Amino acid sequence: DAKTTQPTSMDCAEGRAANLPCNHSTISGNEYVYWYRQIHSQGPQYIIHGLKNNETNEMASLIITEDRKSSTLILPHATLRDTAVYYCITSVGGKLIFGQGTTLQVKP
Amino acid sequence: GAGVSQSPRYKVAKRGQDVALRCDPISGHVSLFWYQQALGQGPEFLTYFQNEAQLDKSGLPSDRFFAERPEGSVSTLKIQRTQQEDSAVYLCASSQPPSGGKLFFGSGTQLSVL
Repeated sequence: DAKTTQPTSMDCAEGRAANLPCNHSTISGNEYVYWYRQIHSQGPQYIIHGLKNNETNEMASLIITEDRKSSTLILPHATLRDTAVYYCITSVGGKLIFGQGTTLQVKP
Repeated sequence: GAGVSQSPRYKVAKRGQDVALRCDPISGHVSLFWYQQALGQGPEFLTYFQNEAQLDKSGLPSDRFFAERPEGSVSTLKIQRTQQEDSAVYLCASSQPPSGGKLFFGSGTQLSVL
């Protein structure tokens, strides 16, 4: 599975959009991009995934560049409850290899 | 069930004791995963089952770690002769093909070895 690179930490003002970047320059053609988040003392929670096209669900939007070497997770209106560690993972499915993730701090 | 259930939520063991950690996956989920998460780190893959078959155990750190899923539902992760470095949160996740990478995680078992 491809390695991903994410910033260690980010801040976002409450009510503003949070844009979390991820680089996956060695992604292969059949690998999906998955995003999970982990709130303190809980297990990771699935957010969204995509292959080539941009995706949107009730939680977030996923923007994947045309060359698929990077992606951005967008939380359109961040709340304090969105404070968490966000993981970007590439996988053909099933076994997921987690990195260190991005710690997102949403501030009032 | 409503979600993945793990028990116990907390476990304290003396060094050298054996422990057993239980995972009840979402009913009907074929795939089951175990992860280990040390403090401040991302989860690390331990092992994977498809039904009762253990298809990947490449992440088990030593032969003291053993996992089973005899009837293809409930799974048990057993750690023999626990060591201090085994202290971590042990996470279980399940999924249902074809959404292979959409895993549902439990809250984990926090193991402390003294």
